[in-house]
Amino acid sequence: SYVLSQPPSVSVAPGKTARISCGGNNIGSIRVHWYQQKPGQAPVLVVYGDSDRPSGIPERFSGSNSGNTATLTISGTQAMDEVDYYCQAWDNSTVLFGGGTKLTVL
Amino acid sequence: QVQLVESGGGLVKPGGSLRLSCAASGFTFSDYYMSWIRQAPGKGLEWVSYISSSSSYTNYADSVRGRFTISRDNAKNSLYLQMNSLRAEDTALYYCAREYSSSSYFDYWGQGTLVTVSS
Repeated sequence: SYVLSQPPSVSVAPGKTARISCGGNNIGSIRVHWYQQKPGQAPVLVVYGDSDRPSGIPERFSGSNSGNTATLTISGTQAMDEVDYYCQAWDNSTVLFGGGTKLTVL
Repeated sequence: QVQLVESGGGLVKPGGSLRLSCAASGFTFSDYYMSWIRQAPGKGLEWVSYISSSSSYTNYADSVRGRFTISRDNAKNSLYLQMNSLRAEDTALYYCAREYSSSSYFDYWGQGTLVTVSS
């Protein structure tokens, strides 16, 4: 079965660019969506359709998807971005989530 | 505004049953696919089941197939999850979520209802 692979953790300095990967076999051929989850809260969609941003999501959040890797990019990372991120896609009428990545802002 | 409010969670013994509900408001419920997604304590997100807008199509994660049943009542703007033969590994916060369109992303989530399976 198809698997979405995320690194458990990513570290970034404040103000720098964070990149969180989501790996899968030929993932570039499917649409990938990204969610941010703060402690004790429900996930919030931050990027959909590989690279589109819902209204109300800051421009510093962006996405790309090619080959075997989809990437969530956070530019000018802020302390408030230090939470969990999940990628999501579909395969054979089944919803897949990556294992999640905890972003640490050092 | 769109609201999804889950209820029905609680403590249940292994082998027991529970029925979760999700009350939807602020949108035309009958137009949207809906899903249940769960999150075990300290763990990641796991999709459980989805149902099409007219209930014609459903699907389940392998981990729950044959034990859980998803349903909806469009007249009551409500989504349900009947959970039977519960196991300790079903312990999780259960979210209902709206799919923007079929096989796409989840644009709205409830706050979740906690299910604990323990003797």
